[in-house]
Amino acid sequence: KAGVTQTPRYLIKTRGQQVTLSCSPISGHRSVSWYQQTPGQGLQFLFEYFSETQRNKGNFPGRFSGRQFSNSRSEMNVSTLELGDSALYLCASSGQGADTQYFGPGTRLTVL
Amino acid sequence: DAKTTQPPSMDCAEGRAANLPCNHSTISGNEYVYWYRQIHSQGPQYIIHGLKNNETNEMASLIITEDRKSSTLILPHATLRDTAVYYCIVRVYYWDQGGKLIFGQGTELSVKP
Repeated sequence: KAGVTQTPRYLIKTRGQQVTLSCSPISGHRSVSWYQQTPGQGLQFLFEYFSETQRNKGNFPGRFSGRQFSNSRSEMNVSTLELGDSALYLCASSGQGADTQYFGPGTRLTVL
Repeated sequence: DAKTTQPPSMDCAEGRAANLPCNHSTISGNEYVYWYRQIHSQGPQYIIHGLKNNETNEMASLIITEDRKSSTLILPHATLRDTAVYYCIVRVYYWDQGGKLIFGQGTELSVKP
């Protein structure tokens, strides 16, 4: 089975712009979670989607949003980018009835 | 906040067993112990998890104490490619609510030739 894929792998944006990141889960997986990793804060949970519904949310401002499509693919959006949004954004998927999350390679976002 | 405590760094000689400890003294009866590792700037890789019994797979062994307040991840024959940050996570999973992973700072394992 193919693993979790994330696109793009690298992205450079400027302050004030918005960005959309994409995640394709492992085939058959219905849950997708997003995490942000920065040197200062480590790995932090953003939100989780299951069957197109957000069922868990971390402590991030409303500029961070996401959605999930009927094929379980997910996107996250960050609006009005700030310098502090520079991070590695990770997506993880898990299957129905299974709780182990499998991570993708991440998208490295740099905000200038 | 993370519910686990790990040493910030450890060294291990190549070919020897690496024993990574984790303290989770406040673990609840329905919480699992998970281990992931992250090689520099890659996505975390799942290693193993357990509830109360010891577990073994092709990558590692997980030893959980009888009182479940601590555990040890064992890499039986460490190689240079095992150099990574290892995260110990306790997590409860509810089928209808999902379950987020709360990462601590992890242990940076350096395998040396």
